Amino acid sequence: GAGVSQSPSNKVTEKGKDVELRCDPISGHTALYWYRQSLGQGLEFLIYFQGNSAPDKSGLPSDRFSAERTGGSVSTLTIQRTQQEDSAVYLCASSQAPSGSGANVLTFGAGSRLTVL
Amino acid sequence: AQSVTQLGSHVSVSEGALVLLRCNYSSSVPPYLFWYVQYPNQGLQLLLKYTSAATLVKGINGFEAEFKKSETSFHLTKPSAHMSDAAEYFCAVPGRGNNRLAFGKGNQVVVIP
Repeated sequence: GAGVSQSPSNKVTEKGKDVELRCDPISGHTALYWYRQSLGQGLEFLIYFQGNSAPDKSGLPSDRFSAERTGGSVSTLTIQRTQQEDSAVYLCASSQAPSGSGANVLTFGAGSRLTVL
Repeated sequence: AQSVTQLGSHVSVSEGALVLLRCNYSSSVPPYLFWYVQYPNQGLQLLLKYTSAATLVKGINGFEAEFKKSETSFHLTKPSAHMSDAAEYFCAVPGRGNNRLAFGKGNQVVVIP
């Protein structure tokens, strides 16, 4: 697609429920990233996918968080048994195949705003 | 791992006045530095990128940033603020393994008419 698409744009859920957030990256971008943006906290790295390699999950805050990327394209971030502290904007980004030098420019989606009541 | 520091979460500037947003990087000289901008209800978009080819980097919308090794800084400036510059600005540096970006906490810019 023309840009990174995320859905839903807004999600309100009750504490303890599971949620799924979807990201459709730019066609041809092999790298995909999830970040969490909380008020006053900047952007927190969650997980990184590159092609068929094992994902870098080092940023996931707890085992309630998981993500998968099917067919090297669409990704789903799942949060189980949501807590109020999970309330944030979840941003997805994609980039062309990283060179390993850190030069890649990330293209971000508009985000999914999660509110846990 | 590299990190960046942005001080002052909220910055108020009068329309027509200089915009100055500060960013300092940690430890060793990074190969790349970035400024991203986030307009309300939108994702982040690239404002400019430092690649060591030049210390003064020009970006979109009249913004520029200067890399200063002696000050470990990469401050963002714009000579004359416009109402449309109201947004959140993030400085970033390649993070661990160079497979991600590490972002500062951001500066929310408010432009006063």
